[in-house]
Amino acid sequence: NAGVTQTPKFQVLKTGQSMTLQCAQDMNHNSMYWYRQDPGMGLRLIYYSASEGTTDKGEVPNGYNVSRLNKREFSLRLESAAPSQTSVYFCASRPGSLNTEAFFGQGTRLTVV
Amino acid sequence: AQSVTQLDSHVSVSEGTPVLLRCNYSSSYSPSLFWYVQHPNKGLQLLLKYTSAATLVKGINGFEAEFKKSETSFHLTKPSAHMSDAAEYFCVPHSWGNTPLVFGKGTRLSVIA
Repeated sequence: NAGVTQTPKFQVLKTGQSMTLQCAQDMNHNSMYWYRQDPGMGLRLIYYSASEGTTDKGEVPNGYNVSRLNKREFSLRLESAAPSQTSVYFCASRPGSLNTEAFFGQGTRLTVV
Repeated sequence: AQSVTQLDSHVSVSEGTPVLLRCNYSSSYSPSLFWYVQHPNKGLQLLLKYTSAATLVKGINGFEAEFKKSETSFHLTKPSAHMSDAAEYFCVPHSWGNTPLVFGKGTRLSVIA
């Protein structure tokens, strides 16, 4: 049981380049999330998907797009990377019912130069 | 809506001494509250959760938390710190799976040998 798998684990981009961060979960969870973590800022929600076919903006959506490809997969795309997007990105998932815990991937460390 | 306040951004303890990480909540109804832990360069992991079944909740690695309605608190404690407890800790109010998890800035625990 792999849980939540993120790829890649590390990435270096040049300003203006695009890339997609992949996330897949094998727990049949309804909800999936993308967060970014910066020093001293905790985790901030970028986008989330409450169920297959729906996506909503979080606290810091600018510069990002998402796709809930199917129930398993939720990708995050940077269309034109900026140095301010240098961060560690975490994907998470959880079932749709109350009081259920979230499961996190190991993170993607992205550097934009 | 629920919200939490982690009162300390950084706590430093000596190995073998007690740990206290403070969390206060604000809610108009009985909340569900969770503690997550994030070890260096890792994803987040559920430590324990309160869902009104019992006010004293035991988690992994010897941690526990007591829900005190009169004090609107859910502080995390451990009798004796270990070096491996050095990590970031997040107190999080939970909700239905179709609404996003909101993380604060957390508390960084340092353990000194």
